[in-house]
Amino acid sequence: GAVVSQHPSWVICKSGTSVKIECRSLDFQATTMFWYRQFPKQSLMLMATSNEGSKATYEQGVEKDKFLINHASLTLSTLTVTSAHPEDSSFYICSASRPAGTQYFGPGTRLLVL
Amino acid sequence: QKEVEQNSGPLSVPEGAIASLNCTYSDRGSQSFFWYRQYSGKSPELIMFIYSNGDKEDGRFTAQLNKASQYVSLLIRDSQPSDSATYLCAGHQGAQKLVFGQGTRLTINP
Repeated sequence: GAVVSQHPSWVICKSGTSVKIECRSLDFQATTMFWYRQFPKQSLMLMATSNEGSKATYEQGVEKDKFLINHASLTLSTLTVTSAHPEDSSFYICSASRPAGTQYFGPGTRLLVL
Repeated sequence: QKEVEQNSGPLSVPEGAIASLNCTYSDRGSQSFFWYRQYSGKSPELIMFIYSNGDKEDGRFTAQLNKASQYVSLLIRDSQPSDSATYLCAGHQGAQKLVFGQGTRLTINP
């Protein structure tokens, strides 16, 4: 397997604030990382594909100005939820992809916006 | 039609029996498939991947792929209560993006 970490594991914030979530690939260099969101009792929803050194590719319906993604190195990608609102409360999960395409998931970050 | 489809369950299996999880896909261009296990409140954990027709075994788990029928399955032998989880089937789309099924909730009854 592979080790992917996320920080923080949970965060509570006030409506209107921004929250940054970090995703790190600890034991391999990941040229591609992915950000997912999962609401209770629903399946994973891919938000964006993040490639090191280039702009992220967002899925249809995901606002790129609201969910800022930066992939500055081969082991770190960050997701910033800007001007968070209660409807952004969710479980955010990143994954790191090996060159062969296998994705390994981080432990996830629970976001609660009050 | 969804690109990857799974029966959402719940699927109940007695402890010690074989649990059979099934998945169909619509994109014939998908080359490799993955099974993830997700416990409630946790993130998905990779169990197996398969890209060749036939069976692939790893311990109590066997993945099966039939590209002609566009069918992927996961068998869990000697099911344990700790196997109770949601199992996600995923296929590759494009370079590296995965398309997930909605998941099958499996319960192993002691």
